[in-house]
Amino acid sequence: DIVMTQTPSSQAVSAGEKVTMSCKSSQSLLYSENKKNYLAWYQQKPGQSPKLLISWASTRESGVPDRFIGSGSGTDFTLTISSVQAEDLAVYYCEQYYDTPLTFGSGTKLEIK
Amino acid sequence: QVQLKESGPGLVQPSQTLSLTCTVSGFSLTSNSVHWVRQPPGKGLEWVGAIWSGGSTDYNSALKSRLSISRDTSKSQVFLKMNSLQTEDTAIYFCTKESYWGQGVMVTVSS
Repeated sequence: DIVMTQTPSSQAVSAGEKVTMSCKSSQSLLYSENKKNYLAWYQQKPGQSPKLLISWASTRESGVPDRFIGSGSGTDFTLTISSVQAEDLAVYYCEQYYDTPLTFGSGTKLEIK
Repeated sequence: QVQLKESGPGLVQPSQTLSLTCTVSGFSLTSNSVHWVRQPPGKGLEWVGAIWSGGSTDYNSALKSRLSISRDTSKSQVFLKMNSLQTEDTAIYFCTKESYWGQGVMVTVSS
């Protein structure tokens, strides 16, 4: 199984600050034939179902604010929130869909100071 | 409009079998895959398994000996059955299709 490692486990930032969180996979998620990384980022707010923010490592879903930026390739990926808002309080998960079984990281909890 | 809704018993006895249903609308099961994801209270997300558009299935490695996912395309329903339930299986169970998620159903394993 592909192991997904997320760091940090939690992070506290002030509104307006930039935040980055990391996701590393135990093997490459880059499929050579189409040059796509099979990596998604989800946001889960308290008491809600997860929401897909980014697929293919860097493609924002429709309606997702452009302050959410996914980057990286291969085994190292980053989710950046360029200017954190109070409503971004949530746990962020990465997920690989390169191979079954699909696997999630353990999450990064974002707290607002 | 794509929708998924989970249903099933809220309480299951240890060692018994869990049966959940995901009723979908707005898309065809013969053209789309549906996944099950679970989340123990206060913990992270765990992929449980999936049924693909062609009807084949894939399962979480740790659960596959106890797990079965099937569907009834005529009723737009996907089923999850997990046997030999233990307290560690207590979780919210979600069904999902790509960016669409159900609200989840809380399952508690307790006597």
